[in-house]
Amino acid sequence: AQTVTQSQPEMSVQEAETVTLSCTYDTSESDYYLFWYKQPPSRQMILVIRQEAYKQQNATENRFSVNFQKAAKSFSLKISDSQLGDAAMYFCAYRRRGTQLSGTASKLTFGTGTRLQVTL
Amino acid sequence: NAGVTQTPKFRVLKTGQSMTLLCAQDMNHEYMYWYRQDPGMGLRLIHYSVGEGTTAKGEVPDGYNVSRLKKQNFLLGLESAAPSQTSVYFCASSYTPYEQYFGPGTRLTVT
Repeated sequence: AQTVTQSQPEMSVQEAETVTLSCTYDTSESDYYLFWYKQPPSRQMILVIRQEAYKQQNATENRFSVNFQKAAKSFSLKISDSQLGDAAMYFCAYRRRGTQLSGTASKLTFGTGTRLQVTL
Repeated sequence: NAGVTQTPKFRVLKTGQSMTLLCAQDMNHEYMYWYRQDPGMGLRLIHYSVGEGTTAKGEVPDGYNVSRLKKQNFLLGLESAAPSQTSVYFCASSYTPYEQYFGPGTRLTVT
């Protein structure tokens, strides 16, 4: 079974600084997707960034980038130039790649989340 | 384009009562999902559907039933609510199995 571990329950960063959130996962699959979701106080789950395991290049979306280390099964999120609006819970998630849905293969497996505070 | 909507946003039930949560999406997505979110546990999949008329069990299906009579709607039912079902429930949908779009959540309290 796949597991996703976020070892940092809380992180804090000053506005305009850079912060890195950690995520590790365990899987026997070789092809999969990894995601970072943001959940602000409104509770809405917002997709921040996605990484395909078969791609060696790290994904980037504006101020958000990942450091994907497939051999180490590590998938960290870097937020540059942090803004007050970045304060939220951040969830790392895993999903198997595949065209057929069977059993629980369709599910996203989430980590327990990291609460990010942004201070002035 | 409203995306994924959930009804109701909040609900308080007494033990043994029943209710139905409604999820609706207007993106013509084939796949729909119900998750529950508990403190310190992330989101866990309850049931999902890969198309109209289909449903399947997820990670924590016990105590819940679902139906997908129309492509745009996915209903989650609790036949006899228990305090252990106190949680925040999220619906999600996707066109492919990979990228899921989430609704705003329903906070359910069972006393």
